[in-house]
Amino acid sequence: SQTIHQWPATLVQPVGSPLSLECTVEGTSNPNLYWYRQAAGRGLQLLFYSVGIGQISSEVPQNLSASRPQDRQFILSSKKLLLSDSGFYLCAWRGGRLYNSPLHFGNGTRLTVT
Amino acid sequence: QQQVKQSPQSLIVQKGGISIINCAYENTAFDYFPWYQQFPGKGPALLIAIRPDVSEKKEGRFTISFNKSAKQFSLHIMDSQPGDSATYFCAASIEDITDKLIFGTGTRLQVFP
Repeated sequence: SQTIHQWPATLVQPVGSPLSLECTVEGTSNPNLYWYRQAAGRGLQLLFYSVGIGQISSEVPQNLSASRPQDRQFILSSKKLLLSDSGFYLCAWRGGRLYNSPLHFGNGTRLTVT
Repeated sequence: QQQVKQSPQSLIVQKGGISIINCAYENTAFDYFPWYQQFPGKGPALLIAIRPDVSEKKEGRFTISFNKSAKQFSLHIMDSQPGDSATYFCAASIEDITDKLIFGTGTRLQVFP
């Protein structure tokens, strides 16, 4: 069965510090991968998506970047965090080429920038 | 064009009642409409989904009603239970290589005994 791992679960970082959140998927190949952010009491905002290794598309211009060094690994990064980067970050995957298949989420990382 | 508008923002229902959450979209190219359920501290999980070629889909106590001409769809939770208390998101996507899901802003449902 397919599983998605996301870590860390919680993170407190000072303003100006770097960020690296990692997500890995098991049990599937060639997935589409996504990073979403959920601000407190808000909806799910799509940040980045990837349809293949090294292929990253950004949905929202911001202080963050993403990379996909391996087929089932997706990394969200920042060189210098801002207060506005605080939120709940969710990694998700969807069966590549299985259009409109379910989107599966990890359990998220709660990031607090102080 | 890419937005999905969801209402209400919050909903309080008594146990046994019917919970109704509504969503509207503009982009007629959307061809997949799922609903997700999210408990605190967890990622959202797929609840039920519908395609525009049907007007209704039912799974247990959960029903999606879809109105293609009005570009609206809704989630009905029959016989609402305290365990249904969660945040619900509607979403929409276009069948293409990116498979991006665009989410509504969410509805926080509280079901009281």
